[in-house]
Amino acid sequence: GAVVSQHPSWVICKSGTSVKIECRSLDFQATTMFWYRQFPKQSLMLMATSNEGSKATYEQGVEKDKFLINHASLTLSTLTVTSAHPEDSSFYICSAPAQAQGTKNIQYFGAGTRLSVL
Amino acid sequence: SQQGEEDPQALSIQEGENATMNCSYKTSINNLQWYRQNSGRGLVHLILIRSNEREKHSGRLRVTLDTSKKSSSLLITASRAADTASYFCATLRGTSYGKLTFGQGTILTVHP
Repeated sequence: GAVVSQHPSWVICKSGTSVKIECRSLDFQATTMFWYRQFPKQSLMLMATSNEGSKATYEQGVEKDKFLINHASLTLSTLTVTSAHPEDSSFYICSAPAQAQGTKNIQYFGAGTRLSVL
Repeated sequence: SQQGEEDPQALSIQEGENATMNCSYKTSINNLQWYRQNSGRGLVHLILIRSNEREKHSGRLRVTLDTSKKSSSLLITASRAADTASYFCATLRGTSYGKLTFGQGTILTVHP
């Protein structure tokens, strides 16, 4: 089945630095991808919709300048956490919708990236 | 706010027992999905039930949907230790593919 690859799986960084997370659709094209954030033992919260060739759309309360999203190709979306602070520590997960007819409501998820900001 | 609310928040059972998780939602839906998440991993799609369906089966999974009560349940029969994971229901926001609203999830622990 379709696979979404997310990298890195775990990153530790110092406060004030920026971290880039990649999300790739491996065997299909994804004009749209989604970025979620998940705190320990909590549910996923949608952060933004990544659109290939155009600007990302952010959910209410998500800082655009803090979480930069780039969807430069049909198979790659990146999320950059800029000037990271300890409160940005979280689990970030990307997803891409299935492409086959009748399955577009289903999402394929990456394995997630655990970000720890010291 | 989260559309889907699930109960129980945590469920601990023995292998071979059945596990039932419930989910409620607030707005009208076209379909409802269930996903599984192993600890520290991404989500895996389990099953999708459409608003005009009342029950759906997939292997050991049985999902029901009651649109009048805005609720759904996921039943895992003959549970195995490998079923230990978090389970989330998810509904679609509007007509945009992929903008899912997730429930709070149920943490299922199956003891060998």
